[in-house]
Amino acid sequence: EVQLVESGGGLVQPGGSLRLSCAASGFTFRTYNMNWVRQAPGKGLEWVSFISGGGGSIYYAESVKGRFTISRDNDRNSVYLQMNSLRDEDTALYYCTRVPDNEPGGDYWGQGTLVTVSS
Amino acid sequence: QSVLTQPPSVSASPGQTVTISCSGTSSNIGNNYVSWYQQVPGTAPKLLIYHNNKRPSGIPDRISGSRSGTSATLGIAGLQIGDEADYYCGTWDDSLRATVFGGGTKLTVL
Repeated sequence: EVQLVESGGGLVQPGGSLRLSCAASGFTFRTYNMNWVRQAPGKGLEWVSFISGGGGSIYYAESVKGRFTISRDNDRNSVYLQMNSLRDEDTALYYCTRVPDNEPGGDYWGQGTLVTVSS
Repeated sequence: QSVLTQPPSVSASPGQTVTISCSGTSSNIGNNYVSWYQQVPGTAPKLLIYHNNKRPSGIPDRISGSRSGTSATLGIAGLQIGDEADYYCGTWDDSLRATVFGGGTKLTVL
C-alpha cells in the first residue's frame, strides 16, 4: 500500500524557516517524481515544487522561487521542503504527492502538514 | 487567479448527471494530459481521472473525463450524496514549467 506521511509543520514567525519531510512507503521510491502542493485555508490547490526520481530535475512555483528548496534522499525514501523567509501567505496545508510520468498533480497524496506563519 | 478556469460551483439532484468544465490554453491543456481530483472537505485530494480520460483502480465508471482542444470536462453520472465535494483539474504548463490547477468547483447534490 502506497503511503506518504508528511511532518515538520508548525507555527513560525514571518521571516522564519521550517523543513518539511515526507516519508514514503509501499513503492519503489527512487523511480517516482515527487511534488509538494499546498492549500491555504479555504482556498484551492497550489503546486509548490517538483523533483524528479533521481533529483536531477527540479521546478518551483514563482511564488516560492529563491525561498524554498526541494530535495530527496532515495536511501531514506523521503522528500523534503526547506522553507526560508516565510511569509504570511505561505500559511497552508502542505501535501506531498507521488508523481508518475505525465501525471503532474500526483496519483497519491499524503494527509498534509500544516504550516502557520504568524507573529 | 488560477491558470485553469473552472466554474466555482455546480449543483444537481441525486441520480442526475453533472459536468464540470476546465478551460486552459495551448501551453497547458492543449498540449498535456489533464487530471481531475476530488476533495471531500477535511480530507486530502484523491485522483479521479488521469491522462484525460483514464480512471485509477477503484474509481467507478460513472466518472468520466474528456479533453477537446484547450478544454477538459469531468462528468459524474448517477449522482450520489457522497459525491458532494470540491473538484479540481490539473495539468502541466509548458510555458510556466509548472503544474497548474483550476480554482476548484464545489459540487452540491441537492
